[in-house]
Amino acid sequence: GENVEQHPSTLSVQEGDSAVIKCTYSDSASNYFPWYKQELGKRPQLIIDIRSNVGEKKDQRIAVTLNKTAKHFSLHITETQPEDSAVYFCAASYAGNMLTFGGGTRLMVKP
Amino acid sequence: DAGITQSPRHKVTETGTPVTLRCHQTENHRYMYWYRQDPGHGLRLIHYSYGVKDTDKGEVSDGYSVSRSKTEDFLLTLESATSSQTSVYFCAISGEGLGGTQYFGPGTRLLVL
Repeated sequence: GENVEQHPSTLSVQEGDSAVIKCTYSDSASNYFPWYKQELGKRPQLIIDIRSNVGEKKDQRIAVTLNKTAKHFSLHITETQPEDSAVYFCAASYAGNMLTFGGGTRLMVKP
Repeated sequence: DAGITQSPRHKVTETGTPVTLRCHQTENHRYMYWYRQDPGHGLRLIHYSYGVKDTDKGEVSDGYSVSRSKTEDFLLTLESATSSQTSVYFCAISGEGLGGTQYFGPGTRLLVL
């Protein structure tokens, strides 16, 4: 089955800096890659996703890039703010198969 | 937030007792999922449903059963709760099918003493 590895497990940045979280996946058939943000005590919430027919997608300060050849995808957050502090999860899947989640990255943005 | 509710939101129970958690959706989505979340393990799939009365096992299904008699409700039962089942349980729904975008409920925090 699919295996998704996520790095780093914790990330601390200064407010205003950029943050990058990386995920690798094992199944070359995977074609859907969502990212979820989970604040303390809250539910995971979808923040951005990408499908394998594009290499990059942006939404304001958040972007996701996908390298299908290398089987990895990354979340980029620019101009980080304290409210970006949360746990971020990546996931991968293809039609008819389960979403497989990475282990999560705890992002801390220091004011 | 998608129209998903979970009940109860918090529960404390004793080892050996049965426990049922409920997930209710108002989105009329076909697919529903139960996950547990534990420190160091991320989100792990317990069971999922792809329609009324259609369910299947996930990665960590031992000790759990599910039922779905209506589109809007998906029940998770711990038949005889153990301390290892202390966790936060999330329900999720998807209208896109297996492998599609999932939206999560608010979670149920369960403590088994």
